[in-house]
Amino acid sequence: NAGVMQNPRHLVRRRGQEARLRCSPMKGHSHVYWYRQLPEEGLKFMVYLQKENIIDESGMPKERFSAEFPKEGPSILRIQQVVRGDSAAYFCASSPDITRHEQYFGPGTRLTVT
Amino acid sequence: AQRVTQPEKLLSVFKGAPVELKCNYSYSGSPELFWYVQYSRQRLQLLLRHISRESIKGFTADLNKGETSFHLKKPFAQEEDSAMYYCALSGHNGNQFYFGTGTSLTVIP
Repeated sequence: NAGVMQNPRHLVRRRGQEARLRCSPMKGHSHVYWYRQLPEEGLKFMVYLQKENIIDESGMPKERFSAEFPKEGPSILRIQQVVRGDSAAYFCASSPDITRHEQYFGPGTRLTVT
Repeated sequence: AQRVTQPEKLLSVFKGAPVELKCNYSYSGSPELFWYVQYSRQRLQLLLRHISRESIKGFTADLNKGETSFHLKKPFAQEEDSAMYYCALSGHNGNQFYFGTGTSLTVIP
């Protein structure tokens, strides 16, 4: 089991461009969480998804941010019209089911907006 | 509202000395508490969870509901314990995880 995979590991975007961050959960895991870590801050919950469903997106900014976890393929965190304040490390985690709350983290994607 | 508070951003101890990383939480109901660790150039990984009541790498953490704390302790720190430690809380339905801001532990040889 390769663990949670995230790509790209580093992403540079100019202001106004779109950023797409991908997360492949561990094999057999159907729950995905996205977090953002701003410089000098802890991990902030963004969204929790199961296959084809958004369960909780209360931590996601209302505009420009969206997430999906399709039936096939990785989970995608999409940021439209990026701004400098979006520069951060974005982490994905997966867990096997709702009764087991420990999460397995990916290596993160570091987004830099120039 | 801040759910998880880790008051120490940085903590340094000498090798062999006891270490305690503080964590306080705020949550109504029965949360599940975790400690995660991130070693240099590695991904974040689960260290221990309160319901398993186990000791991992010599670390233990006791949930104190009266003080709403979940401090991480180790009687004799080792150099390889140097890492970033995060306390985390999960609500009863597992929908959300709340992480503290982390404590960077340095064990001085």
